[in-house]
Amino acid sequence: GAGVSQTPSNKVTEKGKYVELRCDPISGHTALYWYRQSLGQGPEFLIYFQGTGAADDSGLPNDRFFAVRPEGSVSTLKIQRTERGDSAVYLCASSPGAAYNEQFFGPGTRLTVL
Amino acid sequence: GDSVTQMEGPVTLSEEAFLTINCTYTATGYPSLFWYVQYPGEGLQLLLKATKADDKGSNKGFEATYRKETTSFHLEKGSVQVSDSAVYFCALGRSNTGNQFYFGTGTSLTVIP
Repeated sequence: GAGVSQTPSNKVTEKGKYVELRCDPISGHTALYWYRQSLGQGPEFLIYFQGTGAADDSGLPNDRFFAVRPEGSVSTLKIQRTERGDSAVYLCASSPGAAYNEQFFGPGTRLTVL
Repeated sequence: GDSVTQMEGPVTLSEEAFLTINCTYTATGYPSLFWYVQYPGEGLQLLLKATKADDKGSNKGFEATYRKETTSFHLEKGSVQVSDSAVYFCALGRSNTGNQFYFGTGTSLTVIP
């Protein structure tokens, strides 16, 4: 079956602009996660959804970052007033439920802020 | 807080050599432990996992044993192949806290013929 998909695969933007990154989880997966992976580093947790609600947003670096999942399926990560330090690969993962011991990752969106 | 420390790379081995990538963790209680692999141009894939102490995860000839006494989950393979060239990530997760994962920094492995 289809895995986790993310669009766009690459996004280049200018400092100060607004960007949206989309994640389509595996059908039926109720848990959805966003991570950020900087060059040479492991993924770092940003936010976790169980259904439509953000169950844990403790990893969001500041209030420029926001994520939604209005219907409990597709999620959008939104970054306002982008900065060069936001350049990274943004990964989305989904799971059948929060207690399930595996997360299925998408290919990521590479964001470059010029 | 929870964290994972992973052996730094890059690691270069000849085909059929023995591989060890060290991973240690800091956590209270009993987290689950994972190895993920990222092949060139692809997304993260689960390689193996262990959910309790002394469990051994295995897949594709790779093995790792959950050692609570040494807080370690070292990845091993007896004979690597060129196709094993990838970046390997050790990770820790908890099913009772939404299961966000904590990842190590990754170890790049290159296997040469």
